Amino acid sequence: DAGVIQSPRHEVTEMGQEVTLRCKPISGHNSLFWYRQTMMRGLELLIYFNNNVPIDDSGMPEDRFSAKMPNASFSTLKIQPSEPRDSAVYFCASSPGQGGVNIQYFGAGTRLSVL
Amino acid sequence: EDKVVQSPLSLVVHEGDTVTLNCSYEVTNFRSLLWYKQEKKAPTFLFMLTSSGIEKKSGRLSSILDKKELFSILNITATQTGDSAVYLCAVEMYSGGGADGLTFGKGTHLIIQP
Repeated sequence: DAGVIQSPRHEVTEMGQEVTLRCKPISGHNSLFWYRQTMMRGLELLIYFNNNVPIDDSGMPEDRFSAKMPNASFSTLKIQPSEPRDSAVYFCASSPGQGGVNIQYFGAGTRLSVL
Repeated sequence: EDKVVQSPLSLVVHEGDTVTLNCSYEVTNFRSLLWYKQEKKAPTFLFMLTSSGIEKKSGRLSSILDKKELFSILNITATQTGDSAVYLCAVEMYSGGGADGLTFGKGTHLIIQP
């Protein structure tokens, strides 16, 4: 199994530009999560999906952030327009999401730098 | 507000020592507590705990949960330099349906000196 696959691994952009982060969950997993990690705030949940449906987006910091999951094997997190304070590592994770066993497996992350 | 607190935030020990990492939580509708290890990249899963008093063990690592006192500990015996990492504690809560997001502590940064 290839695990959770995220792209790009690194992204450097200028303030005001649109940024799109991509995630392919583990095949057969029904739940997908987006997290952000910074030194100050640690790992924070942004949004998650069950069966491609967004369940809780209360962690999304602002309207500049949006996420979609058009099918079971792909999700995107978009920031438009980006700001320097969005600089962080963004992780995607997936879990089987069934039977009460919710072990989340993380991708390698996307390190975003907004200049 | 739901919160997960880990202690200590950092710890430096010598190879061969035993360490105990702590995690306390105050959350509504507790479902499970998870431990992850993070070495510069993605957090990797160590343990999931749902019941009090039942120790989970994997090699030199072990963990236990106390649902009455709302805490968990992660023990590492005979530490090795490869154990150097940030250890993250996370709690999942019931939301009335399927999977739910995790609330993480800030982590314990463990450094093992040769």
